[in-house]
Amino acid sequence: QVQLQESGPGLVKPSETLSLTCSVSGGSVSSANDYWNWLRQSPGKGLEWIGYIYNSGSTKYNPSLESRVTISVDTSKNQFSLRLNSVTAADTAIYYCARQSTFRHCISSTTCYTGPNSFDFWGQGTLVSVSS
Amino acid sequence: IVMTQSPDSLAVSLGERATINCKSSQSVLYSSTNKNYLSWYQQKPGQPPKLLLFWASTRDSGVPDRFSGSGSGTDFTLTINGLQAEDVAVYYCHQHYEGPWTFGQGTKVEFK
Repeated sequence: QVQLQESGPGLVKPSETLSLTCSVSGGSVSSANDYWNWLRQSPGKGLEWIGYIYNSGSTKYNPSLESRVTISVDTSKNQFSLRLNSVTAADTAIYYCARQSTFRHCISSTTCYTGPNSFDFWGQGTLVSVSS
Repeated sequence: IVMTQSPDSLAVSLGERATINCKSSQSVLYSSTNKNYLSWYQQKPGQPPKLLLFWASTRDSGVPDRFSGSGSGTDFTLTINGLQAEDVAVYYCHQHYEGPWTFGQGTKVEFK
């Protein structure tokens, strides 16, 4: 059973950098079969996908946040992290880390399709408020 | 891809059926595999979303069979047959056909 736990400051000042860490147990951030994600949820914008890291370093981000986001991994600690810079009040939200496994669909003996599956394991979430 | 759910909320009597709709702005059916890249989640207050269904209609491990999903392409439905007390929650659809991954705005299911 994969377990994830977010940690980091609950209060960040406007224009500063939000930094969160997700600790993983029961799975490995080094796994080539898993995508490690950050998402957030606010009353105004619902559930929003921020980005993921996979294969120990490849990343993909939501274009709406890409200019401000960095997701990195620390394989020695089995953790991955989120940095969101130049925050404003609009970044106030519950931040979740979550895993997507990889699906593999083979339509013939030689042709298979792979990619990220659903979000099957989530952390409990951590509330981050942006305020001076 | 924009995901639009309807209704925003619904009130259902205990034991009755709840039906939630989800429409995507473009098809999430991958023709080569004939799979819809559409999932449903349940979220209770103070908890993260929980995966209920993937590939539009496949229940995740441990999900009761009163939860079912249907639809293909752009139109999908989550049905709860025989609402139980523990089913009061907000339900979200989600597409992972094309980045960025997106979610519906949520449908709140309450007791009538």
